[in-house]
This record gives sequence, structure tokens and C-alpha cells, in this order.
Amino acid sequence: GESVGLHLPTLSVQEGDNSIINCAYSNSASDYFIWYKQESGKGPQFIIDIRSNMDKRQGQRVTVLLNKTVKHLSLQIAATQPGDSAVYFCAENHGNTGFQKLVFGTGTRLLVSP
Amino acid sequence: GAVVSQHPSWVICKSGTSVKIECRSLDFQATTMFWYRQFPKQSLMLMATSNEGSKATYEQGVEKDKFLINHASLTLSTLTVTSAHPEDSSFYICSARDPARSYNSPLHFGNGTRLTVT
Repeated sequence: GESVGLHLPTLSVQEGDNSIINCAYSNSASDYFIWYKQESGKGPQFIIDIRSNMDKRQGQRVTVLLNKTVKHLSLQIAATQPGDSAVYFCAENHGNTGFQKLVFGTGTRLLVSP
Repeated sequence: GAVVSQHPSWVICKSGTSVKIECRSLDFQATTMFWYRQFPKQSLMLMATSNEGSKATYEQGVEKDKFLINHASLTLSTLTVTSAHPEDSSFYICSARDPARSYNSPLHFGNGTRLTVT
């Protein structure tokens, strides 16, 4: 497959800390990126997205940074809460002529301790 | 808005039988839906792109005769796992995006179907 996760890296933080989750994407032609949150037994839930013509976008408590030079994406979560505990995936649109398909990264498990 | 519903949420079947999973877009019409598979502690792997009124497009390595996709209406796509075997046990998730929005809009996912083949 295009993106195979053999294991999930884990980030453990204390409640109230800021969290940074990183992702390296594969296709330099990708023009659109999304962060998803997945809780156990559920489908992915949209968090925030960014187009390739931007390098930063902010939402409520979340910020996405895009570095196209090194094909790196990060998700920053401010004042992390126990409810933020989940697996986080970055996804890239493999195509630059419209929406084609989303390819997912390996994923990172975020564990938030009270 | 942009709700995707998937049914059933879980199913157990015997080896050799077939299982159908439904994916519905509830508040928008989806000309394209996407089927993913996820094994435990792994990422989502795209299996196929379901196109309303035409044949699905399968990713490399996915058997089209084993994973039958039908997208007969603008709100419903089905995935049938034929002659299921224990190695087909997985979490199957469908997704769709609202075509009325710009192409830079996210996929919305159903809550997945846990398939266990005994």
C-alpha cells in the first residue's frame, strides 16, 4: 500500500500541556492536507485542513503548520485535555488537479494524563 | 452537515459467506465515495473509489472480484466482501465529500464496520 503503519508512535502529555504531533508526507505534488482524530472503534473525525499555498492555519485550540520544503506537517494542540486522547492521522490529497484521493499517514497515539 | 452513515457497525460471519456493508450520505449527494480498510494499530488504507453510475476504481493489490462495490444512487454505496476468510477480518470505513463544496474540502467518514470472520 501507499502508506503502511506497522506500529503507532505514542505521545504522552499532561493535561494542560501543549501537544505537537508531526507527520512526514510522501507526495511533493499533494496540494491539500487534513488532520483527523480517531477514537477507538470510530471513524476518523475532521480536525483542521490546510492548502498547499499556506504554511499555517489556526482553529480552535489547534494549529496546523505546513513545510513544503521538507514535506512536513504538524498539528499543535493547545491546553491539551483528556478528551483529546485519540489517534491522530495526517492525510494528503494525492493530486494537484482537483480532489483525487486521500492517503493517510502512519498515525500518532496521543495519551493525555489528568 | 456532511454526515456519512455506515451499516452495520459490526458483523460476524462464517468463513466462505458474503457480507454487505452499506454507506449512506445523509444530507448531501455524493457522486464519489471511498472505501478504506484498517487493521488493528495501523493506518487507513484506501481500497477503492466508488463512482455513482460507473465502475469502481480499485487500488493496487485489492481484488475487485472479492470486494464488490456498487454505487447505484447518489446517496448509497455498498461494499460486499465475497467468500470471506479470517484474513478479511478488519475495520471497514467509508467516506464521502460534498461535491457542492470546493475540491479542497475534507472527506467525511462513517463510523466503520467491524468485520469478524470465523
